[in-house]
Amino acid sequence: AQSVTQPDIHITVSEGASLELRCNYSYGATPYLFWYVQSPGQGLQLLLKYFSGDTLVQGIKGFEAEFKRSQSSFNLRKPSVHWSDAAEYFCAVGAVSNDYKLSFGAGTTVTVRA
Amino acid sequence: EAEVAQSPRYKITEKSQAVAFWCDPISGHATLYWYRQILGQGPELLVQFQDESVVDDSQLPKDRFSAERLKGVDSTLKIQPAELGDSAMYLCASSLRTGGSDTQYFGPGTRLTVL
Repeated sequence: AQSVTQPDIHITVSEGASLELRCNYSYGATPYLFWYVQSPGQGLQLLLKYFSGDTLVQGIKGFEAEFKRSQSSFNLRKPSVHWSDAAEYFCAVGAVSNDYKLSFGAGTTVTVRA
Repeated sequence: EAEVAQSPRYKITEKSQAVAFWCDPISGHATLYWYRQILGQGPELLVQFQDESVVDDSQLPKDRFSAERLKGVDSTLKIQPAELGDSAMYLCASSLRTGGSDTQYFGPGTRLTVL
């Protein structure tokens, strides 16, 4: 079955420290991959996306993600976290086998401590 | 910057009542999506429109939920009657076209609480 897994439900990181959020998927072909961020009570904002080409993708707010086909992963990273990065992060996947409908992971909540 | 508009932002209702949510997509976006997001989970697609036509409503509980996009622009999602399990965030999104490469832009959502 097709699925998107975000193994970490909650991550706490110190301001200024690096952050990595994990995302694994199980789809037959190379899917389209997205990371969204959701602040409390708000909608989702697109951070970055991967369709093809360079496997290291740069996004907004200093985020980047790397597609690793061999590991079926699309992990999100930020070198230095700011307090405003506290939010919930969702990985989403669209695949031709599912008519490119987005399937979302359960999300990872990031807490930033001073 | 154009945004997806939704109203109301918050709705509290009693079970068995009817509720309706409205969404105005980004101008020119042909595809409109309604998602339901239960607390602690990712969004799940309820219904997808291409212009005024329903493309996918396989996950829409049709005995109580209905959605329309009469003129291919704004859309309404209705629940009648509401049940306790319907408490969730209802998100609307739009994209230029249907397809994997088109980014979906999300509105702020409507938080529904059913008492």
